[in-house]
Amino acid sequence: QQPVQSPQAVILREGEDAVINCSSSKALYSVHWYRQKHGEAPVFLMILLKGGEQKGHEKISASFNEKKQQSSLYLTASQLSYSGTYFCGTPLVRGSTLGRLYFGRGTQLTVWP
Amino acid sequence: SAVISQKPSRDICQRGTSLTIQCQVDSQVTMMFWYRQQPGQSLTLIATANQGSEATYESGFVIDKFPISRPNLTFSTLTVSNMSPEDSSIYLCSVQTTNEKLFFGSGTQLSVL
Repeated sequence: QQPVQSPQAVILREGEDAVINCSSSKALYSVHWYRQKHGEAPVFLMILLKGGEQKGHEKISASFNEKKQQSSLYLTASQLSYSGTYFCGTPLVRGSTLGRLYFGRGTQLTVWP
Repeated sequence: SAVISQKPSRDICQRGTSLTIQCQVDSQVTMMFWYRQQPGQSLTLIATANQGSEATYESGFVIDKFPISRPNLTFSTLTVSNMSPEDSSIYLCSVQTTNEKLFFGSGTQLSVL
């Protein structure tokens, strides 16, 4: 089951905050977040392995609510460099190799000066 | 981290022909994967490239269409066979490192006429 991301697109001014959500109708065992800039390969942001886990990377952080089967990515004080498409990914099968991921359709984030 | 080189970076092919994409990693890795990203879409896992044995294909992908080789721990190839316009996509090689991150190659943009 492909995870569902929302919103599909976000337009921000520099310095504003954004939240991207990732949910699944099936149990989530871990959540990966990637960012892809146009014409480039996806780049790893973070992985959350346990329910309740929160992580941060610069001004980007994420949470994982295992019971609600969802994860959220928080972008604080957005910078122009944050523009890109954000994907969440979840393992195809519980206990399977973490590289075998189902990715959501992505959230396109645009930050304007 | 892992540095992944993919060749070719792009190609335009005729319907019915085949294209082989090469993926070279700068270090030995156990897990290598091939993903496809159709225009404006998410990433879809094609198969896991296993060293010394046949690749493991995901639902909807078959060996006759996407034969994969993995002769050693640093190299893999993906062939897109008997191409049709529906095969026009970006094909991405990825590797999983010991800290569970996925690294992606820069991709091969394939256009089939």
